[in-house]
Amino acid sequence: DVKVTQSSRYLVKRTGEKVFLECVQDMDHENMFWYRQDPGLGLRLIYFSYDVKMKEKGDIPEGYSVSREKKERFSLILESASTNQTSMYLCASSSPGGLVAETQYFGPGTRLLVL
Amino acid sequence: QKEVEQDPGPLSVPEGAIVSLNCTYSNSAFQYFMWYRQYSRKGPELLMYTYSSGNKEDGRFTAQVDKSSKYISLFIRDSQPSDSATYLCAMKEGRGSTLGRLYFGRGTQLTVWP
Repeated sequence: DVKVTQSSRYLVKRTGEKVFLECVQDMDHENMFWYRQDPGLGLRLIYFSYDVKMKEKGDIPEGYSVSREKKERFSLILESASTNQTSMYLCASSSPGGLVAETQYFGPGTRLLVL
Repeated sequence: QKEVEQDPGPLSVPEGAIVSLNCTYSNSAFQYFMWYRQYSRKGPELLMYTYSSGNKEDGRFTAQVDKSSKYISLFIRDSQPSDSATYLCAMKEGRGSTLGRLYFGRGTQLTVWP
């Protein structure tokens, strides 16, 4: 069974803090993704990575950075948290050789509140 | 203009009803079409997957793709309260392109009441 885990389900941070969100997958997937999900806006891609130490910007990378030092782990970093980064953050992984056209498997999400 | 359009609803139906969920898209390079289901406070999970045009059936669920109209649908027969969730359509270009990126609709929130 594919498993994608995220370090926290709920997180409360202060404006200006540096925030780390961790994601780990156990399926040896090459691709990993970070999304944020907001009511009325759906899933928006922040960053993705197709290999260790490789990263690509998604649609809304501003205010975020990522790190992928190991294949199974993909971290999202909020350099200086702001209230407009309050959101649900979802991590996903996929494999180019997957049977179902690189379908993405999602973690449970981290609900981040920035005060 | 977003590449994938989906009416966010909400949609509320009685148990046993037939539900129709739809998405339209503009990118003719999309070849893979998926439906994800997301329960409250959970991550999305893959429900149905279709390659190119045609129909696919899985139990009470039927996915349809009409590439000529750039329109996809998900039908749920004999809907149950346990089907209450947000349904997201997702699309992808040909295998190996765009590094595995999926393009999602905004999701439609469905409630099936007993």
